[in-house]
Amino acid sequence: EVQLVESGGGLVRPGGSLRLSCAASGFTFSSFSMNWVRQAPGKGPEWVSSISGGSAFISYADSVKGRFTVTRDNAKNSLYLQMDSLKAEDTAIYFCARDRPGGYPVFSDWGQGALVTVSS
Amino acid sequence: IQMTQSPSTLAASVGDRVTITCRASENINRWLAWYQQKPGKPPNLLIYKASNLESAVPSRFNGSGSGTEFTLTISRLQPEDFATYFCQHYKTSPYTFGQGTKLEIK
Repeated sequence: EVQLVESGGGLVRPGGSLRLSCAASGFTFSSFSMNWVRQAPGKGPEWVSSISGGSAFISYADSVKGRFTVTRDNAKNSLYLQMDSLKAEDTAIYFCARDRPGGYPVFSDWGQGALVTVSS
Repeated sequence: IQMTQSPSTLAASVGDRVTITCRASENINRWLAWYQQKPGKPPNLLIYKASNLESAVPSRFNGSGSGTEFTLTISRLQPEDFATYFCQHYKTSPYTFGQGTKLEIK
């Protein structure tokens, strides 16, 4: 069974930093692209970032480019999101999500999410 | 690419057939997925490549369309189908979602 468990969320002041982690199990982690998707309260999901299995291909939403960095450690079956220069509008639940088998950015498996609140 | 769903809210009864529309601001071929989300839960993939049903998704869910206009039809609504539905394109990044359609009990 695929399991994705996020951690590292919390309350942070504007301009601060936070690092999210996603622990994966139940599948061959290195074979799948992984993603971060966030959802602000009462809003639709917003794709944030993707990273390929070997980390060769990385992409970001314009709203986070230059402030967020996605990495992965295949030996630890873990995905990370380093978030710097946080803004109030970054407040959201952050989900890690796995690509559906087939190699396209369709998100077939999701964690339960980590809440990030940016407020003074 | 902008994704626009309609309606934003839809009221229906158990047993009804309902249709949700998703329009893309440019041609996305069939690179479209549909998700269902219930309160406090992550989205759940229903359909990919416009019309392919994800495994374990009931056959009362049907997706169609190509290019810029797509529909999700749910036939014979069941109580567990009342939720919010989102479309998402995946032609190129950024992979944008629609704003959602909340399906409510009439």
